[in-house]
Amino acid sequence: GAGVSQSPSNKVTEKGKDVELRCDPISGHTALYWYRQRLGQGLEFLIYFQGNSAPDKSGLPSDRFSAERTGESVSTLTIQRTQQEDSAVYLCASSLAWGGGYNEQFFGPGTRLTVL
Amino acid sequence: DQQVKQNSPSLSVQEGRISILNCDYTNSMFDYFLWYKKYPAEGPTFLISISSIKDKNEDGRFTVFLNKSAKHLSLHIVPSQPGDSAVYFCAATARTYKYIFGTGTRLKVLA
Repeated sequence: GAGVSQSPSNKVTEKGKDVELRCDPISGHTALYWYRQRLGQGLEFLIYFQGNSAPDKSGLPSDRFSAERTGESVSTLTIQRTQQEDSAVYLCASSLAWGGGYNEQFFGPGTRLTVL
Repeated sequence: DQQVKQNSPSLSVQEGRISILNCDYTNSMFDYFLWYKKYPAEGPTFLISISSIKDKNEDGRFTVFLNKSAKHLSLHIVPSQPGDSAVYFCAATARTYKYIFGTGTRLKVLA
């Protein structure tokens, strides 16, 4: 079956521009995560969506970052007024609902964002 | 504050030998640990996990060891194969959906 897909795979933008990154999770996965991986760093949690519950936005680094999810499907991560320090690979993952157990997270290939 | 640390950014091993990747953590509340493997231009894929009630979990060539008193876990790959060359991330969680990832170790298996 289809895995997690992300688009675009690469994005080069100028400082100050807005960018929108898209994630299509695995069908039936109600949980969706966004992570950021800067060069030489680990995966940094940004935001978590679970069904119709309020998302956990505790990892968003500033108010320039926002994310939305339509029901249990597509999610978009938006970065406004991009800065050079936003350059990173943005990874999306989906999983079955967390219910006290541990579910494998399935990752997309990521979007490499370069802010000039 | 890095709660999950992988202090070796890279490791080279001869094909057929054992690869040992290490991971240290600071949060004693962590009770579940995972290893992910990442190839270039791909997302990480789940490899193996271990619950804090165990000290070893084995899956084919891959074994994860957990030493709770030392807050240390390791991934052993025996025998190592060139296809194992990738970046390996350890991750930990404390009864929550939020996983904390390490910075990764790049393994290179030499033919």
